[in-house]
Amino acid sequence: QVQLVQSGAEVKKPGASVKVSCKASGYTFTSYGISWVRQAPGQGLEWMGWISAYNGNTNYAQKLQGRVTMTTDTSTSTAYMELRSLRSDDTAVYYCARSYYDSSGLGYWGQGTLVTVSS
Amino acid sequence: QSALTQPASVSGSPGQSITISCTGTSSDVGGYNYVSWYQQHPGKAPKLMIYEVSNRPSGVPDRFSGSKSGNTASLTISGLQAEDEADYYCSSYTSSSTLEVFGGGTKLTVL
Repeated sequence: QVQLVQSGAEVKKPGASVKVSCKASGYTFTSYGISWVRQAPGQGLEWMGWISAYNGNTNYAQKLQGRVTMTTDTSTSTAYMELRSLRSDDTAVYYCARSYYDSSGLGYWGQGTLVTVSS
Repeated sequence: QSALTQPASVSGSPGQSITISCTGTSSDVGGYNYVSWYQQHPGKAPKLMIYEVSNRPSGVPDRFSGSKSGNTASLTISGLQAEDEADYYCSSYTSSSTLEVFGGGTKLTVL
């Protein structure tokens, strides 16, 4: 079965960087892209971007351009999301997700990684 | 401010039907049949309930249905059950440089 397992919670100071991992299993990693979605405490979902696990092509949300980098390691079936110059409003649960087969819906989600930005 | 507009809350009694709306523009909801709906219980990851406007993933009860008219998509839940109480989010592909946008979410209360 498809599983996405994310790395553990992080606490960072403002201005620092964080890198969250998402290890995939149960399918051919390079056949699907990985999306990243975040959710600030008590707030809604925010799409951050997408990376093709096949060729590494990326598309980032406009508001995060320049601060976010998404990568993959096909040898370990792992996707990564790095966010730099962290601010307090980056405090959120970060999710990785994969599409439901070839649809546009995100049918498989990681368990989420809480990133807390605090001085 | 979210790109897609949803009501903050809806409520219904067990057995009743409710509809949650999701209003966008011709650049997102109205322009593409790539609207999804997600259910999220507290502390849990979102769950895909509807994709591409009206399709249900395997395992999602047929009490959940989706539709679209113009720039507004809708999620209807019939035969409400207690376990349907959750937050619901719509999303859509968008022609802007940000490929995907979410609604602000709707809290469903089953009375």
